[in-house]
Amino acid sequence: DSGVTQTPKHLITATGQRVTLRCSPRSGDLSVYWYQQSLDQGLQFLIQYYNGEERAKGNILERFSAQQFPDLHSELNLSSLELGDSALYFCASSVDWAWADTQYFGPGTRLTVL
Amino acid sequence: GQQVMQIPQYQHVQEGEDFTTYCNSSTTLSNIQWYKQRPGGHPVFLIQLVKSGEVKKQKRLTFQFGEAKKNSSLHIAATQTTDVGTYFCAGYDYKLSFGAGTTVTVRA
Repeated sequence: DSGVTQTPKHLITATGQRVTLRCSPRSGDLSVYWYQQSLDQGLQFLIQYYNGEERAKGNILERFSAQQFPDLHSELNLSSLELGDSALYFCASSVDWAWADTQYFGPGTRLTVL
Repeated sequence: GQQVMQIPQYQHVQEGEDFTTYCNSSTTLSNIQWYKQRPGGHPVFLIQLVKSGEVKKQKRLTFQFGEAKKNSSLHIAATQTTDVGTYFCAGYDYKLSFGAGTTVTVRA
């Protein structure tokens, strides 16, 4: 158990819909990272937040957005969902903002878009 | 931009045999991290290498960072069924870039 929690574990929805994925980092960690893992794309970095502010952006689509709240939990919002958005979404956390820090991954949310 | 390539993509190993997976970066890295993801699980941090030529061991796993800090390897000796999973390297330059992973299956 990494100490990072993600909800829900599974999510099934239809194309065009909007969903919100939630992540609580390890106690004491200020950075949260979101990743998308699909069969053909591997592990893709989406976005990083540090202490409530966006720190780095990766391959995140404009239909996706995220935020980190004062209690440091984070939400990833996916809208206008397409079939290709079906994937595992991982949240990871680290102590500081530096990418050199070890990242601890949550169990993931499996999103299925029908 | 920075790219991290991992080979092989798949590794089928007889139990008891050794194997090595390789990670190559297009740029010089500040450090490299290795993660393991079991089937159905999430990536778990294994180790971080920082120094040029650094070698670290964890039981049957040997991790090496190249002299030029552009490549790394993970060698697993006497493979066991518990070694099944996907091994990712992640190279840090200005950000952490993950390789596509080496998926390991073990024949008993």
